[in-house]
Amino acid sequence: DTEVTQTPKHLVMGMTNKKSLKCEQHMGHRAMYWYKQKAKKPPELMFVYSYEKLSINESVPSRFSPECPNSSLLNLHLHALQPEDSALYLCASSQDWEKTQYFGPGTRLLVL
Amino acid sequence: SQQGEEDPQALSIQEGENATMNCSYKTSINNLQWYRQNSGRGLVHLILIRSNEREKHSGRLRVTLDTSKKSSSLLITASRAADTASYFCATRSGNTGKLIFGQGTTLQVKP
Repeated sequence: DTEVTQTPKHLVMGMTNKKSLKCEQHMGHRAMYWYKQKAKKPPELMFVYSYEKLSINESVPSRFSPECPNSSLLNLHLHALQPEDSALYLCASSQDWEKTQYFGPGTRLLVL
Repeated sequence: SQQGEEDPQALSIQEGENATMNCSYKTSINNLQWYRQNSGRGLVHLILIRSNEREKHSGRLRVTLDTSKKSSSLLITASRAADTASYFCATRSGNTGKLIFGQGTTLQVKP
């Protein structure tokens, strides 16, 4: 298995909702990442997990809460989001932080 | 903050022509990578060039790196309609997994 999967593909949520994005890989990668990408912009790093520990938080608002339950899974819990948080959320993984990152197809999030 | 700048922002060519995209960055790097993204989907890794390398080839792709000018170029030869996508350079610095992406070039290859 050489891919990163993300669910759901699309998500619409209200500002009072709580939802979660999921990312999974079975390549034995020990580093996993969350990126946010607005339309016609490059991806921006949000979080990095290395060996299941949070190693980088790019000053992301607390309404985004990452979780790495095990080495194959990465979640992003969403609560009280704002309309400006609408974006494509990309997950990536790599063997370790030095190696090439492989991206999932993303979750397109719309906050109403 | 994004440290990569790419030009052109948009490029439109005919099938069979070559496409060249350029990327500039600001700080010293460990490596520079190029990714392709089709219409708001995930990014596909194309090629990685290390800071001590000057040129690298992969199929129809040729990447150059000039660390003295802090710039890189991606050449796609004999382009195909399927090459239509956005192309991003990304740099890694220091001892973290942080990738910083350039602004991207949108390539359209007309059949």
